[in-house]
Amino acid sequence: SQTIHQWPATLVQPVGSPLSLECTVEGTSNPNLYWYRQAAGRGLQLLFYSVGIGQISSEVPQNLSASRPQDRQFILSSKKLLLSDSGFYLCAWSVSEAGAQYFGPGTRLLVL
Amino acid sequence: GNSVTQMEGPVTLSEEAFLTINCTYTATGYPSLFWYVQYPGEGLQLLLKATKADDKGSNKGFEATYRKETTSFHLEKGSVQVSDSAVYFCALSAADTGRRALTFGSGTRLQVQP
Repeated sequence: SQTIHQWPATLVQPVGSPLSLECTVEGTSNPNLYWYRQAAGRGLQLLFYSVGIGQISSEVPQNLSASRPQDRQFILSSKKLLLSDSGFYLCAWSVSEAGAQYFGPGTRLLVL
Repeated sequence: GNSVTQMEGPVTLSEEAFLTINCTYTATGYPSLFWYVQYPGEGLQLLLKATKADDKGSNKGFEATYRKETTSFHLEKGSVQVSDSAVYFCALSAADTGRRALTFGSGTRLQVQP
């Protein structure tokens, strides 16, 4: 069966510090991978998606970037965090173009 | 473009009450429709799905029917429990978006009181 992992679970970072969040998927090959952000009490905002190694599409221009160095690894990064980067970051995967997405447990980021 | 509209929350019910959370959508083509549930502090879990008109998705006592004529996918449960308290998201996936991503509604918080 497929499993998706995210870490860390919680992160508190000062403004201006770098960020690296990692997501890995097990039990499937060549998945589509996604990063979403959920602000407190709000819906989900798609940040990035990837259909293959090294292929990244950005949905919202911002302070963040994403990379996919391996088939089942997806990394969200920032060089300098802003207060507005605080939120709950969710990674997800899917195998078909219009199919269901399956979410990881999320990383809660607080920028102070 | 594609969009999903959900009823505003919170929805507060007593245990064993009947639940309906309304969801309507706008999409080109023939989208797949989903309901996700998010428990406090956790990620989203797929609750049920329907891929074509008149399909009924069901899971854990929850049901939703894909109604193309009314562009709706309302979530229902006959008897809610305290453990159903969570935020529920309606979503659609349309292959013609070109970005293979889900379009989510804003979420509806359900609070079930004992």
